[in-house]
Amino acid sequence: NAGVMQNPRHLVRRRGQEARLRCSPMKGHSHVYWYRQLPEEGLKFMVYLQKENIIDESGMPKERFSAEFPKEGPSILRIQQVVRGDSAAYFCASSRLGDLMNTEAFFGQGTRLTVV
Amino acid sequence: DQQVKQNSPSLSVQEGRISILNCDYTNSMFDYFLWYKKYPAEGPTFLISISSIKDKNEDGRFTVFLNKSAKHLSLHIVPSQPGDSAVYFCAADNFNKFYFGSGTKLNVKP
Repeated sequence: NAGVMQNPRHLVRRRGQEARLRCSPMKGHSHVYWYRQLPEEGLKFMVYLQKENIIDESGMPKERFSAEFPKEGPSILRIQQVVRGDSAAYFCASSRLGDLMNTEAFFGQGTRLTVV
Repeated sequence: DQQVKQNSPSLSVQEGRISILNCDYTNSMFDYFLWYKKYPAEGPTFLISISSIKDKNEDGRFTVFLNKSAKHLSLHIVPSQPGDSAVYFCAADNFNKFYFGSGTKLNVKP
């Protein structure tokens, strides 16, 4: 049973380009969470999705960032017109249930985005 | 607004001794807390959790203590082993949203 798979592991983009980060949850998991970790900081919540639904996007910047979790395929975090401040490690987590007090959230290895 | 704080960025402990990692939070509505361990270039892995109805939870060498009145929790690792060297994040769960502290880097010396 493969864990949460994120790709690419490393992504370099020039300012103004688009970045697409993919996350395949663990088998049987229908809840996906995206977190961002800036240098020397903890992980910050961005968005919580279920299949075809955004449940909570309170941590997403209002502009340039979007996320989806389609019925088929991985969850995608999309950053348009990237800026240097978007450089960070982006982690995806998945869980089987939508109640994290009663189910474990498993994290992927992350995608390190560098904007040059 | 940092709702979960880990004020010690690093901790160094001798193998076999106890490691104590501390965490403070500000939101009294938090009712579930977790500790995650993270190695470089890997994602965080779940270590142990505690509900606010308890003040202690133990799992092998790991024990988490919760002091609700002080809004403080701690992770005790005893005995510490070199393989425990990693960054430890404290987190609080609020409606499926984790609030993480900034982490404490633990170094266990052989």
